[in-house]
Amino acid sequence: QITLKESGPTLVKPTQTLTLTCTVSGFSLMISGAGVGWIRQPPGKALEWLALIYWDDDKRYSPSLKSRLTISKDTSKNQVVLTMTNMDPVDTATYYCAHRTSYYGSATYFDYWGQGTLVTVSS
Amino acid sequence: DIQMTQSPSSLSASVGDRVTITCRASQSIHSYLNWYQQKPGKAPKLLIYAASSLQSGVPSRFSGSGSGTDFTLTISSLQPEDFATYYCQQSYSALFTFGPGTKVDIK
Repeated sequence: QITLKESGPTLVKPTQTLTLTCTVSGFSLMISGAGVGWIRQPPGKALEWLALIYWDDDKRYSPSLKSRLTISKDTSKNQVVLTMTNMDPVDTATYYCAHRTSYYGSATYFDYWGQGTLVTVSS
Repeated sequence: DIQMTQSPSSLSASVGDRVTITCRASQSIHSYLNWYQQKPGKAPKLLIYAASSLQSGVPSRFSGSGSGTDFTLTISSLQPEDFATYYCQQSYSALFTFGPGTKVDIK
């Protein structure tokens, strides 16, 4: 059974760096094809994909946020970490991590999601 | 970057209605299109992948079609538990853009 759970601060101040951790179980981050993505959703707004890390440590970032994001994994802890620098109130959102499954070789869908964690950016 | 649009942005329907939601990509994404359902306060749930493949456990009243730039999600007979927001997502590029969503509520 695949599960994912996000953890991190619920409140950050403007200009601070946000660090979120996704702890996974039921699959290995080392298995060929595995991947974990981060997606966020501001209150009342749409989903926005942020980043994805693959089993081979390849990484992809949203172009609009690439300069502020870093994704990494710790396979020994079954964790994926997302950092976002220079936080702003517009970054207030629920942040989800999700398991990636591939099809057609390289295409991706997110079939298992964490419950999400609400991060508020405020002074 | 590939942009995704959805129409309508919201719709009102009754139980038993046939509902169709459209998703359009700014360039061809072949069949690299997924659909998700999200209920308030919950994480999204995968419904359809590869434009028309039904995810395991998803009721057969949900179906997807299309290729290239134009895609459709159809609910053949709307059930009370289907009132939610639906998002498309492309995975043709390795940058996984979501559409803006379509909210389906009760008429």
